[in-house]
Amino acid sequence: AQKVTQAQTEISVVEKEDVTLDCVYETRDTTYYLFWYKQPPSGELVFLIRRNSFDEQNEISGRYSWNFQKSTSSFNFTITASQVVDSAVYFCALSGRLTGGGNKLTFGTGTQLKVEL
Amino acid sequence: KAGVTQTPRYLIKTRGQQVTLSCSPISGHRSVSWYQQTPGQGLQFLFEYFSETQRNKGNFPGRFSGRQFSNSRSEMNVSTLELGDSALYLCASSLDEGEQFFGPGTRLTVL
Repeated sequence: AQKVTQAQTEISVVEKEDVTLDCVYETRDTTYYLFWYKQPPSGELVFLIRRNSFDEQNEISGRYSWNFQKSTSSFNFTITASQVVDSAVYFCALSGRLTGGGNKLTFGTGTQLKVEL
Repeated sequence: KAGVTQTPRYLIKTRGQQVTLSCSPISGHRSVSWYQQTPGQGLQFLFEYFSETQRNKGNFPGRFSGRQFSNSRSEMNVSTLELGDSALYLCASSLDEGEQFFGPGTRLTVL
C-alpha cells in the first residue's frame, strides 16, 4: 500500500519569509513518481512538479525548490520569500508503477499555507 | 492550448437521483482520471480511462462508473446518490503516464 503523510495541517507566515512544506511517503515500489500540487480557493489543482524515484537531484524553479531524499522517504517543498499569492493548500502525491501502466495518485492530506502581510 | 474543462461546475441533486459529470481533456491527452475530494476523506482516486478503456480503478462502490469516448472526453456517473457523495469531483488528463493536469472540478451537493 502507498501512503503520503503531510504532518503540517496549517502554516502561517509573514510575507517574505521562507517556508518549507514537509512530505513523507511510503511505497514498496522501486519505481515511482512524486508530485506537488497547489490548490487555491478556486479549487483547481495546479501542477507544480513531478519527480521520478531515480532522480534525487534537487530542483529549483524561481522561488520554489524541492528536496528529494530517498534515504528518509521525503520530498519537501520550499518557497523562498513567500508572497500573499502563495496562500493555498499544497498537496504532495505519489504514483507507483501499476500493472498495465497508467496513473493513480495517492495524495497526502494537504498543508494549508497562509501568507499574511 | 486549452486546459481541462469540466461541466457542470456546480450541481445540486437529491438523494436517490443519479448524476453525470463531463470532462474534456487537454487536446492530445488520452488518459483521463477522476478523483473525489471531501473534507473527511481528502482526495481519492476513482478511476482512470485510457483509449476508451478503464485502465485503473479505485475503491469505490459500483454506483460510481465512467466511460471515455473516442475523442478522449470522459463522463462519470453516480447512481442512487447518497448524502456522502457530496464532494468536489476533479478530472485530470495526461498524455499517458506522467504529469496529470487537473480541471476546475464539479462541486456536487446532495440534499
